[in-house]
Amino acid sequence: DTAVSQTPKYLVTQMGNDKSIKCEQNLGHDTMYWYKQDSKKFLKIMFSYNNKELIINETVPNRFSPKSPDKAHLNLHINSLELGDSAVYFCASSQDPQEYEQFFGPGTRLTVL
Amino acid sequence: GENVEQHPSTLSVQEGDSAVIKCTYSDSASNYFPWYKQELGKGPQLIIDIRSNVGEKKDQRIAVTLNKTAKHFSLHITETQPEDSAVYFCAASWLAAGNKLTFGGGTRVLVKP
Repeated sequence: DTAVSQTPKYLVTQMGNDKSIKCEQNLGHDTMYWYKQDSKKFLKIMFSYNNKELIINETVPNRFSPKSPDKAHLNLHINSLELGDSAVYFCASSQDPQEYEQFFGPGTRLTVL
Repeated sequence: GENVEQHPSTLSVQEGDSAVIKCTYSDSASNYFPWYKQELGKGPQLIIDIRSNVGEKKDQRIAVTLNKTAKHFSLHITETQPEDSAVYFCAASWLAAGNKLTFGGGTRVLVKP
């Protein structure tokens, strides 16, 4: 009965590789988000999709590309991974962009060696 | 853009005492102010929120106050318990801009038994 799930939970990879993180929500929400939490616990939004359409795109390197095959899924693909990409990535969802509460997933800890 | 500052960064309290965390924001257009609790290894979880048309909101041992003129909002936890130990984040958002949450830097709360 998980609301927002992410896979994998841990991801260790080498610099230069390409990797993806998957997110799924079973809440019937229309809006999904990706956040990055750095080593100092600072949380920052990266992207937001509403009904598969991009609505928020913060200043994120274009090596990061979100993909929403349907409104229940928002995946994050990262090309040419760099050391600075090491962080915990959280997916979240809300009913719609005007709905207040965002529900967060458990996070994916990405370590780039 | 919005900037949210949060203080203190760490807070140690004795069980049963009260804890207060304060945040300031910069964008007067922000109209939604949630507080999230993040336990170790988990995603942030909403514990209470307040909208700009309300000055105070309470939910059992947790209360939030908002001063829109001064652009301050605070979280108050009374009768703290060991399970309140976690990292707490404040955030601000302007719903018309797609509910883009801007987070404060977090407060690590330790409740000593």
